[in-house]
Parts: sequence; structure tokens; C-alpha cells
Amino acid sequence: AQKVTQAQTEISVVEKEDVTLDCVYETRDTTYYLFWYKQPPSGELVFLIRRNSFDEQNEISGRYSWNFQKSTSSFNFTITASQVVDSAVYFCALSERDSSYKLIFGSGTRLLVRP
Amino acid sequence: GAGVSQSPSNKVTEKGKDVELRCDPISGHTALYWYRQSLGQGLEFLIYFQGNSAPDKSGLPSDRFSAERTGGSVSTLTIQRTQQEDSAVYLCASSLLERGPNEKLFFGSGTQLSVL
Repeated sequence: AQKVTQAQTEISVVEKEDVTLDCVYETRDTTYYLFWYKQPPSGELVFLIRRNSFDEQNEISGRYSWNFQKSTSSFNFTITASQVVDSAVYFCALSERDSSYKLIFGSGTRLLVRP
Repeated sequence: GAGVSQSPSNKVTEKGKDVELRCDPISGHTALYWYRQSLGQGLEFLIYFQGNSAPDKSGLPSDRFSAERTGGSVSTLTIQRTQQEDSAVYLCASSLLERGPNEKLFFGSGTQLSVL
């Protein structure tokens, strides 16, 4: 069965620290997609990245970077030089080929960046 | 509007009453999704609409829940005979489907439903 685990419930860091949010997934499908979404206090989930199962290249976008490792079924997210505006709940999600429109979300990690 | 719009933003109702939640997707988006976010269950898929195809209702938790999408645009999620366990944030999302259903989703701010 498919599952996404975000073991870190809450993380608190001081501004400018680097922080890594962990995501471990389970799926039997060989074709799948992984996502990260950010949910700020306003409530709207904001798309950050989509990665397909055939592309293991790591990605960097500004202060954000993602490390996809199929060998450990992980898709971790690192924020470099964190800022107060990064404070939010971050969700990792999985979709599989046969039901590709359904996102299976992890429970989320609440990140608090203190000034 | 520029984004996905949901109304009302907050709804308080008494147990046993029916409620209707509305979603206006981004203009031109052919796919529409409903998710539910609750403390106990996290984010759960409820239903998916794509164009004129039959919707995937497999995530609806009971037959008290129904949804429709009129004219390929606005969607209404209806909960009949509400129960306290229906209390949650109901999130709507839409997407373009240019490259398949796992395109990035644009979410609304949700409707916070409280059943007393």
C-alpha cells in the first residue's frame, strides 16, 4: 500500500540556519510522482516541486533543494539560510500512475523559523 | 479572480443539518479536486472531476457526502445530516492537466467547517 511518512512533527530553528525536512514514501508502483507543498498560515497549499520516479537528479531552486534517493525511498527537502517567511507547514505527497490524480499526503512538518 | 476561490471561509452548523461548500476554480482549469484536512486524518482525497468524465468519488467517506460540478466550472460539495466528525477544513484545488493529472495543483484557502 502507498504511504508517506514525515517523522518530524515540528522543527524550530533560528533564522539563517539550514534545515532539512525528511520524507519517506512507500509504493509498489515503478512509476510515481513525489511532491512538496507549503501551507502558510493563510491555509492555501502552495506547490513547490514535482519529481517523477525516473528522475533522480537533485534539484536546487534558490534557497530550496531536494534530495531524491530511490534506494532509501526518500525525498528530503532542505532550506538553506532559513528566513522567518519560511515558517509554515510543509507536506510531502505521492501519486501513483494508476490513480495519478490522487495525492497521498504525509502528516506534515511544522517549521518555525525564529528571528 | 486569479486563484481558487472557496466560500464560505467558515461555516458553523448544528449536528444533523445539511451544508453546501462552494469552489470556483481558476478559469480554464479542467480538473477540480476536493480534499479534507482534519487533525486526526491529515489531508485526504475526496473527489476528482475532469472535464465531462465521470468523477472519481472513491474518497468520499460516506453516502452523506456528494459533489457536483456544473458547466465544467463551479463545484459544490454537499454534506447531509452533518456529524461532529465532519468538522475539518475542506480544500478545493484545480489544475490545467497539460501534462497529465499529476500536474501541480492550485489550492484555495479552504472552508473551515465546525459541526456543533
